[in-house]
Amino acid sequence: GAVVSQHPSRVICKSGTSVKIECRSLDFQATTMFWYRQFPKKSLMLMATSNEGSKATYEQGVEKDKFLINHASLTLSTLTVTSAHPEDSSFYICSAARVGNTIYFGEGSWLTVV
Amino acid sequence: QKEVEQNSGPLSVPEGAIASLNCTYSDRVSQSFFWYRQYSGKSPELIMSIYSNGDKEDGRFTAQLNKASQYVSLLIRDSQPSDSATYLCAVNLDGGTSYGKLTFGQGTILTVHP
Repeated sequence: GAVVSQHPSRVICKSGTSVKIECRSLDFQATTMFWYRQFPKKSLMLMATSNEGSKATYEQGVEKDKFLINHASLTLSTLTVTSAHPEDSSFYICSAARVGNTIYFGEGSWLTVV
Repeated sequence: QKEVEQNSGPLSVPEGAIASLNCTYSDRVSQSFFWYRQYSGKSPELIMSIYSNGDKEDGRFTAQLNKASQYVSLLIRDSQPSDSATYLCAVNLDGGTSYGKLTFGQGTILTVHP
């Protein structure tokens, strides 16, 4: 079964609203999780590193006020897309690294902003 | 120069043939290298990880790493139509200081035709 779970798998929201995507590590603690974004027919681009108990580290060019990341517990990180616009429509994927060097990806979340 | 670069493809091979996928990376201190397979609309799934120079075999898959040449490859033997997917090379570029933080190549689309 899934080791890292994302929810929702698909979401449609109206322009100007905010949407939250959850990423959970199901049977291990993850002090660090990662959020990626993937446009159609493109590769994964790292958006930010989510750090439990501290601020996220954003990659260059990613608006931290637009993509709010919260990592309030060792098993949950959330990505909130604020004031969503159609250009934010994308496939968002989280990952977490487990002790022993295994990196697990969530199932991904399709966001469509209309 | 891209940090992780893959042969652009698409690559088409007949069933039963060997598919060869190549990847180069820019950062000499990189320690961890991964090959992922991604089906359309799905999250990446790990095929192989490799950390040391040389070959690593797992079933029909063989990963080859040459750190001096900054090169990693994936061979798929006895290719099957079910292997048709996008193959992503991923590298932990920052020398392992943030394990799990991956930089992906642009992906190579592989088609295995019966």
